[in-house]
Amino acid sequence: EAGVTQFPSHSVIEKGQTVTLRCDPISGHDNLYWYRRVMGKEIKFLLHFVKESKQDESGMPNNRFLAERTGGTYSTLKVQPAELEDSGVYFCASSPITGDNWPAEAFFGQGTRLTVV
Amino acid sequence: RKEVEQDPGPFNVPEGATVAFNCTYSNSASQSFFWYRQDCRKEPKLLMSVYSSGNEDGRFTAQLNRASQYISLLIRDSKLSDSATYLCVVKGGGGNKLTFGTGTQLKVEL
Repeated sequence: EAGVTQFPSHSVIEKGQTVTLRCDPISGHDNLYWYRRVMGKEIKFLLHFVKESKQDESGMPNNRFLAERTGGTYSTLKVQPAELEDSGVYFCASSPITGDNWPAEAFFGQGTRLTVV
Repeated sequence: RKEVEQDPGPFNVPEGATVAFNCTYSNSASQSFFWYRQDCRKEPKLLMSVYSSGNEDGRFTAQLNRASQYISLLIRDSKLSDSATYLCVVKGGGGNKLTFGTGTQLKVEL
């Protein structure tokens, strides 16, 4: 079974440009998360989709970031316009919705390494 | 203050050694606790969940102290392949998101 896949693996863009990151979760996983790791810092939550709905977007840094998950399958995260401080590794994770209260394991993609110059 | 605090290390230990990592969390409403492992330039992968009664998985033992808001991971008989960054992760207390520590780096040497 394919894991969480992210594209591209690396992206180098100039300040002011637009970049779109894509995440394909594990098939059947309704929960989809975006996280980001800025160099030297911990991995931080950006937002959470349940199917196509945004459940929690409290971690989104500002309105230059737009996440979508049309149809409840893959998700995109667009940064427009990109700033230097947006550089980092963007991880996507997915998990199934479980019927009980026990949290399901979140599986992470390999990440997109974004460098804004 | 960070929500999840870990000693960044690195911990350099010889093969066969026992090593322990500690972690504290600030949100007393946290409900679920995990240790993830991250290899260099790779994604985090779940190592083990941490249960209130403590739990063991082979050479790995995890403990949780809710009163002290403290989580630990013990690795016995370290292997070279255990070299990685170990991430303390907490969930709950408002939403489904995972809150990560900065990670503790372990290097197991010959």
